[in-house]
Amino acid sequence: EDQVTQSPEALRLQEGESSSLNCSYTVSGLRGLFWYRQDPGKGPEFLFTLYSAGEEKEKERLKATLTKKESFLHITAPKPEDSATYLCAVQGTGGFKTIFGAGTRLFVKA
Amino acid sequence: DADVTQTPRNRITKTGKRIMLECSQTKGHDRMYWYRQDPGLGLRLIYYSFDVKDINKGEISDGYSVSRQAQAKFSLSLESAIPNQTALYFCATSDRTYPETQYFGPGTRLLVL
Repeated sequence: EDQVTQSPEALRLQEGESSSLNCSYTVSGLRGLFWYRQDPGKGPEFLFTLYSAGEEKEKERLKATLTKKESFLHITAPKPEDSATYLCAVQGTGGFKTIFGAGTRLFVKA
Repeated sequence: DADVTQTPRNRITKTGKRIMLECSQTKGHDRMYWYRQDPGLGLRLIYYSFDVKDINKGEISDGYSVSRQAQAKFSLSLESAIPNQTALYFCATSDRTYPETQYFGPGTRLLVL
């Protein structure tokens, strides 16, 4: 059964304090691993798709990386506006369904 | 204007009432989904539709029904609401390319008393 586990559940950082969010997954053949950002009271917003181990993608202060078992979302010198919940999701070759993790709530204090 | 819209944004109802949540999209996508989100849990799939004539149950469909009125419209109904259906509900769309990127609406916050 496809599964996604995100850690930590919550992360509190000072502005400028870099860190990483973890997404561990099991899937029967990976079609894609997704990262979404969700702000309070809003729907998830697409950030990245990673397709294979070793791949990296960047957007502003965010960089997503992928191994065969995990993905990391690295946040470099975060700002308060980066505060949000970050969701990881996978889609396997066994079907079309996307499996979502519970998310990591990130708080960045000025 | 938002590509995926949901109405209402907030709803309070009583146990036993029938309610409908509506979703419209302007992305031109064939595929539409209904999810619910609960604290500490990931998004869970309630129903999905690959086109107007194709509707399928997700992992937690009991107590829910859907209607795909057009390519752009997908409604979720709670036939007889119960308190454990209190949650955030999201509609999403995707095109046919794999892996599927999903585009979400703003959500409906539902409280069942």
